[in-house]
Amino acid sequence: AQKVTQAQTEISVVEKEDVTLDCVYETRDTTYYLFWYKQPPSGELVFLIRRNSFDEQNEISGRYSWNFQKSTSSFNFTITASQVVDSAVYFCALSEYPDTGRRALTFGSGTRLQVQP
Amino acid sequence: SAVISQKPSRDICQRGTSLTIQCQVDSQVTMMFWYRQQPGQSLTLIATANQGSEATYESGFVIDKFPISRPNLTFSTLTVSNMSPEDSSIYLCSVEATGVGEQFFGPGTRLTVL
Repeated sequence: AQKVTQAQTEISVVEKEDVTLDCVYETRDTTYYLFWYKQPPSGELVFLIRRNSFDEQNEISGRYSWNFQKSTSSFNFTITASQVVDSAVYFCALSEYPDTGRRALTFGSGTRLQVQP
Repeated sequence: SAVISQKPSRDICQRGTSLTIQCQVDSQVTMMFWYRQQPGQSLTLIATANQGSEATYESGFVIDKFPISRPNLTFSTLTVSNMSPEDSSIYLCSVEATGVGEQFFGPGTRLTVL
């Protein structure tokens, strides 16, 4: 069975600090997708990234970067120079590769990030 | 990305009544899903809405309580039946864009049951 663990329940940082959100996953599949979503106080779920299990290259998008390490089953998310607008709950999620199985997402419990001015 | 709308955006309902939530997508999609997010919790999959056939429910969710329809590739409904206060949650529709694998979420329906 799939499982996603976000051990950090809540993180509080001061603006301009860097912050890393951890995500560890379990799956028996050799191919799968990993996702990160942001849920601001307004409640909508904002798609941030999808990573294919075949692609272990790290990705950077502006102040956001993702570190995928298959050897440790981790897909960590770093926000550089955090801003107040980054305050939200962040969810890591996992789905099986479309051709072989379950395509719905299994979510972690989420990490609430508070960025103080 | 797909543009997804949900109706209603929020509702307050009485115990024992039913509410039908609509999900509309601006393009045809292969997969549609319904999730529940209880207050302060993560998202839990209720079911996969299958076009032209019965939905596939997750353990703990049954068709009598959460009937789902999907008449075409752009529309689905979820009904929350015989509601109790424990059904107070955000209900979210999500879609997987055809051939892409990315999954996008609707804005959610915030349901309060008194």
